[in-house]
Amino acid sequence: SAVISQKPSRDICQRGTSLTIQCQVDSQVTMMFWYRQQPGQSLTLIATANQGSEATYESGFVIDKFPISRPNLTFSTLTVSNMSPEDSSIYLCSVAKGTAGTDTQYFGPGTRLTVL
Amino acid sequence: AQTVTQSQPEMSVQEAETVTLSCTYDTSENNYYLFWYKQPPSRQMILVIRQEAYKQQNATENRFSVNFQKAAKSFSLKISDSQLGDTAMYFCAFMKHEEPAPRGATNKLIFGTGTLLAVQP
Repeated sequence: SAVISQKPSRDICQRGTSLTIQCQVDSQVTMMFWYRQQPGQSLTLIATANQGSEATYESGFVIDKFPISRPNLTFSTLTVSNMSPEDSSIYLCSVAKGTAGTDTQYFGPGTRLTVL
Repeated sequence: AQTVTQSQPEMSVQEAETVTLSCTYDTSENNYYLFWYKQPPSRQMILVIRQEAYKQQNATENRFSVNFQKAAKSFSLKISDSQLGDTAMYFCAFMKHEEPAPRGATNKLIFGTGTLLAVQP
């Protein structure tokens, strides 16, 4: 497995503002992902953070709303832009260490976002 | 498209007893992986167990074991000797097998809606 940290652990934000969430891993990983978990719901993949290139977004998620960076193999950020109360969720990053396509994903502790 | 169904929104079990959580899935893929994750109140997602579809033998991890029925597309989790620390939301998840994954492909985990397990003292 890997030790994964996220910052901040929680935040309360005003609508119309943006928040950047950081995900740091203690070792180099092949794949990094960002998920959203809306209140009382399951997890939905937002995007795959590709090292050195643009992220790959899932249907229903766009780069303008959720810009993602991944400057190296141990770090990624997710920004939630122009927030509305509907963006209130837990945002989780996950990583896979081994060969892409076969490896188990391990999750960070999550960031609880509340938008007023 | 793949789907994962957990038909039990909530379950309760007495400490030291055994409980089984149900999960069914739908896919046309032959090679894939199945997972159980737990999410306690701390919200940290923790891997419980993983099963490769090509393996007939059911995976086990200490008190946790699965009953994998590929033909029936069923993947239940059995927790033996339940402990208070097992109280959590349990998610079943599916991942398609791709090796190596094409550039830009997502190794997407598809999650069920979860089962909230309460272990009673």
